[in-house]
Amino acid sequence: GAVVSQHPSRVICKSGTSVKIECRSLDFQATTMFWYRQFPKQSLMLMATSNEGSKATYEQGVEKDKFLINHASLTLSTLTVTSAHPEDSSFYICSARDRGGQPQHFGDGTRLSIL
Amino acid sequence: QQQVKQSPQSLIVQKGGISIINCAYENTAFDYFPWYQQFPGKGPALLIAIRPDVSEKKEGRFTISFNKSAKQFSLHIMDSQPGDSATYFCAASTLDSNYQLIWGAGTKLIIKP
Repeated sequence: GAVVSQHPSRVICKSGTSVKIECRSLDFQATTMFWYRQFPKQSLMLMATSNEGSKATYEQGVEKDKFLINHASLTLSTLTVTSAHPEDSSFYICSARDRGGQPQHFGDGTRLSIL
Repeated sequence: QQQVKQSPQSLIVQKGGISIINCAYENTAFDYFPWYQQFPGKGPALLIAIRPDVSEKKEGRFTISFNKSAKQFSLHIMDSQPGDSATYFCAASTLDSNYQLIWGAGTKLIIKP
C-alpha cells in the first residue's frame, strides 16, 4: 500500500519551455504533498508544501512564480516549472502523507534536463 | 537548531558485516525519526522509523537505536548484503511543522561481496 506515482520520470526539453510534473497518490488520500529538489550526491531540499485545496507554502529562496504548484484534489498535485532554463535542471521528487501524519511516501522522481 | 547531522558521509562494509550510520539532532521537539533508503535515480523509500518513547526498534535486519538524552539515533544493518548498497538518509519532524522532514546529509553505503 501507500503508493505514490510520479510522471514523467525523465524530461529533456529546450530552454524557455514550461514543464509539468504530476504526482498522484494511488491508494490513499494525500492531505499534504511535498515537492523536493535533489542535486547530485546531496540531500533532499524541500521546495514547497501543499495542502489539498489551499495555496502552496514555498520555502525561502524558492520562486513561486517559477515553480507553480497545484494540489486540486486529494490524489493529485502538479509542479510546473515555467520558462525553464539550464539551471533548473535537477531531480525533482514529490511525497505525500495522509491525515495520519507520518510517514511521507515518495514518488520515484523526475529527472529534468534543460538544454 | 533545526539541523540533523549525519555521519559518516560514506561507508564500506564487507558482506555479512554490520553497517552503522549515526545521526544527531538539537531540537528536542522532534517526535518522529525515520530512515530512508534511496537507490540511484529513484525516490527515497521508508526503511524504518521510531518515536522518542522507545529506545530501540527492529524490523528484520534493520534496527534503530535511539538515545533521547544524547539526542542521537542510529541505524544498524545486520548481515549486510550487496543489495543494501544505497544512500541512506535519516530525518526528523515535529507535529507542529506540518510534518515537514528535516533531512540528514546522507550516507553512501557500499557492501563489498
